[in-house]
Amino acid sequence: SYELTQPLSVSVALGQTARITCGGNNIGSKNVHWYQQKPGQAPVLVIYRDSNRPSGIPERFSGSNSGNTATLTISRAQAGDEADYYCQVWDSSTYVVFGGGTKLTVL
Amino acid sequence: QVQLVQSGAEVKKPGASVKVSCKASGYTFTSYDINWVRQATGQGLEWMGWMNPNSGNTGYAQKFQGRVTMTRNTSISTAYMELSSLRSEDTAVYYCARADSSFIDYWGQGTLVTVSS
Repeated sequence: SYELTQPLSVSVALGQTARITCGGNNIGSKNVHWYQQKPGQAPVLVIYRDSNRPSGIPERFSGSNSGNTATLTISRAQAGDEADYYCQVWDSSTYVVFGGGTKLTVL
Repeated sequence: QVQLVQSGAEVKKPGASVKVSCKASGYTFTSYDINWVRQATGQGLEWMGWMNPNSGNTGYAQKFQGRVTMTRNTSISTAYMELSSLRSEDTAVYYCARADSSFIDYWGQGTLVTVSS
């Protein structure tokens, strides 16, 4: 079965750039999607198909995907960006696969 | 606007079954797959399966095969997820979610299912 690996936590200073990685075997050949989840709330899609932002998501959120690593980048990090972030792919054998999630802390 | 409204919290005893509903509005119900995802307290997202509301076709995560059933009633734009033989480890928030091809674009508000004797 396909697996996605994320760091448990990432910290970023206010106003700086945060990068959250998502590792998987040849993940660059797959479409990667990213979700933000704040405590007590349902997840929200922030990036789809590697680098596309849904309407309403700030331009500060961007994504890339190559080789064995996909990356979610949050520029000019704000306190409101503190949340858990999950990457997700669709795999032909296991269908929807989520990464374990990364807790982003804004210092 | 797209909305997925789920049924309320449930408390079940071990060995029982639970059926969670998910009423869709703001779009054509049969045009998008519905996925079910659960999340135990303090844990990550766990995908359970998908259903095509048009055909009724389903696909379940191996972990839940034989215990989960996903159905729908197209006349009322509602999807259902039933989980049987409940155990304490099934205590979690269960989400229905609309899938646009390979990603989820809308989520329900979540339904807390508590399994306790």
